[in-house]
Amino acid sequence: AQKITQTQPGMFVQEKEAVTLDCTYDTSDQSYGLFWYKQPSSGEMIFLIYQGSYDEQNATEGRYSLNFQKARKSANLVISASQLGDSAMYFCAMREGRGNTPLVFGKGTRLSVIA
Amino acid sequence: DAGVTQSPTHLIKTRGQQVTLRCSPKSGHDTVSWYQQALGQGPQFIFQYYEEEERQRGNFPDRFSGHQFPNYSSELNVNALLLGDSALYLCASSYFTDTQYFGPGTRLTVL
Repeated sequence: AQKITQTQPGMFVQEKEAVTLDCTYDTSDQSYGLFWYKQPSSGEMIFLIYQGSYDEQNATEGRYSLNFQKARKSANLVISASQLGDSAMYFCAMREGRGNTPLVFGKGTRLSVIA
Repeated sequence: DAGVTQSPTHLIKTRGQQVTLRCSPKSGHDTVSWYQQALGQGPQFIFQYYEEEERQRGNFPDRFSGHQFPNYSSELNVNALLLGDSALYLCASSYFTDTQYFGPGTRLTVL
């Protein structure tokens, strides 16, 4: 079974609007971390936001927020006030257990922001 | 504060050759992980180095090997290159269990 599922291969959003990118995960560990990364066409993976499995509050970082629904095993990324520079691939990733375990990535969602 | 750096940026090799990719971690980071990203896919974990030892390994053949130096920098070596090894190779560094930060990647093309 896929550990990380991103069901939206591509999304379009109007500039200044908000957009939600979906991510569901599968793990039997009680301790895990969820990450979102942005990958522009240059290739570099840019860290955006992190949510720990024991965190009770949804994580926020500037225009990025993570809608964490533990019972549904979902960790959706919300980008508010979209900008043209937000056009990129977005990857959801999970790290299971404690310690420096490897990241497992989804297949990504390509976001295009339209002026 | 320099981020994660990788060299070279691009590389073209032929089947059967060997390649070495290099990574310098972000200042203060002691752990380096390598990932392979095929076109249109998410990154796949290759292996992780900490204290100059391979600590964890993904599902990659022995043709993929690595090294970590005392200054925490790392190399990824791939022997007997196959066409399927063409990919973007990403290095990520972290301090112990903290967030992994990625470099710009090395794009390898095998002809």
